Amino acid sequence: RKEVEQDPGPFNVPEGATVAFNCTYSNSASQSFFWYRQDCRKEPKLLMSVYSSGNEDGRFTAQLNRASQYISLLIRDSKLSDSATYLCVVILPSGSARQLTFGSGTQLTVLP
Amino acid sequence: DTGVSQDPRHKITKRGQNVTFRCDPISEHNRLYWYRQTLGQGPEFLTYFQNEAQLEKSRLLSDRFSAERPKGSFSTLEIQRTEQGDSAMYLCASSNRDSLNTEAFFGQGTRLTVV
Repeated sequence: RKEVEQDPGPFNVPEGATVAFNCTYSNSASQSFFWYRQDCRKEPKLLMSVYSSGNEDGRFTAQLNRASQYISLLIRDSKLSDSATYLCVVILPSGSARQLTFGSGTQLTVLP
Repeated sequence: DTGVSQDPRHKITKRGQNVTFRCDPISEHNRLYWYRQTLGQGPEFLTYFQNEAQLEKSRLLSDRFSAERPKGSFSTLEIQRTEQGDSAMYLCASSNRDSLNTEAFFGQGTRLTVV
């Protein structure tokens, strides 16, 4: 079983739609969680951290469910510029130098 | 530009040749990571440095791969006797050690093609 699993998609949605991605992680002691965005043939960039209480940044909302070991990302009113691959990232327990563990990514295409 | 820089951006090599990539992290960052990414997959951890110390290597990293960070600043990743399966994007990232929530900044990567 992979340590971080995501639905690869692709998700093709019209402009203005709301889309949600989920990610599950296998290590219950994982400490920190993030969503990164990666545009085609570019490097990954931090989109947002995910906090236990949930957090929102404009049209983006991230949620963490530690009991079920999943993380979600909700994008409201999607824009063409949101088209990218969204990577779920988990930091493993303290003591492991393998700090950032990535999911395979979920591909989103927002259609005009 | 104070971001993470990688060199070269692209490398085409014949099977069996050795290649070396360089990464210059953000100057105040003491954590440096190497990742490999293939099409349709997320970045896959290769190795990690804290300052000049290489603290962890992935089990996926064969003995043909070696990485150094001699002065705790730039790092090099060498692949000896390249194989076609080594074709991938090699990404370097750096971060500050002070917080687990600190963002990791990635370079634009070196795309390796082994022919």
